[in-house]
Amino acid sequence: GQQLNQSPQSMFIQEGEDVSMNCTSSSIFNTWLWYKQDPGEGPVLLIALYKAGELTSNGRLTAQFGITRKDSFLNISASIPSDVGIYFCAGNAGGTSYGKLTFGQGTILTVHP
Amino acid sequence: DAMVIQNPRYQVTQFGKPVTLSCSQTLNHNVMYWYQQKSSQAPKLLFHYYDKDFNNEADTPDNFQSRRPNTSFCFLDIRSPGLGDAAMYLCATSRDYSLQYFGPGTRLTVL
Repeated sequence: GQQLNQSPQSMFIQEGEDVSMNCTSSSIFNTWLWYKQDPGEGPVLLIALYKAGELTSNGRLTAQFGITRKDSFLNISASIPSDVGIYFCAGNAGGTSYGKLTFGQGTILTVHP
Repeated sequence: DAMVIQNPRYQVTQFGKPVTLSCSQTLNHNVMYWYQQKSSQAPKLLFHYYDKDFNNEADTPDNFQSRRPNTSFCFLDIRSPGLGDAAMYLCATSRDYSLQYFGPGTRLTVL
């Protein structure tokens, strides 16, 4: 089955630093999504990407849909303490897989004030 | 404005005692999903409803059942919870098979 490799698994950064994380797949996806999950809460959708090469921003967050359709990147600029949480990438292959999302393993982000 | 609501947020049950978790939504989405998420892992899809059509994942144990009495509500029934069923249970909704929006989750503890 499809798998997503998300890296890094964890990051420890200082407030104000920029953050980058990525997901790669062995197969093509039609949609890439990025979610953030706070402890004890459900994932919150941050950014959705629909086209190869697409670059989309949401405030300090920027994500890109890789040209090969097998990868995606999320960047966070000027991190702040409330950025702490687990970030998941998710891909939707479309077609007969209906809306089923394949998730990455998550990136745990810690921001030191 | 709550869009996907899960009750209760925390549920404690005893080994083998049936438990029901509930999800409601104000988005009028026609698709509702149930996920299981264990600590430090990604959510794992259990099943979903497309309108009234139930779709079970192949590896979802028979111990897990679901009901969707109307568009707004969906229930997860665990018939005989085991210690391994302790997890966060997440409900999500989408319009057709587009973006999925998650609820806050129910943390299930099995004693």
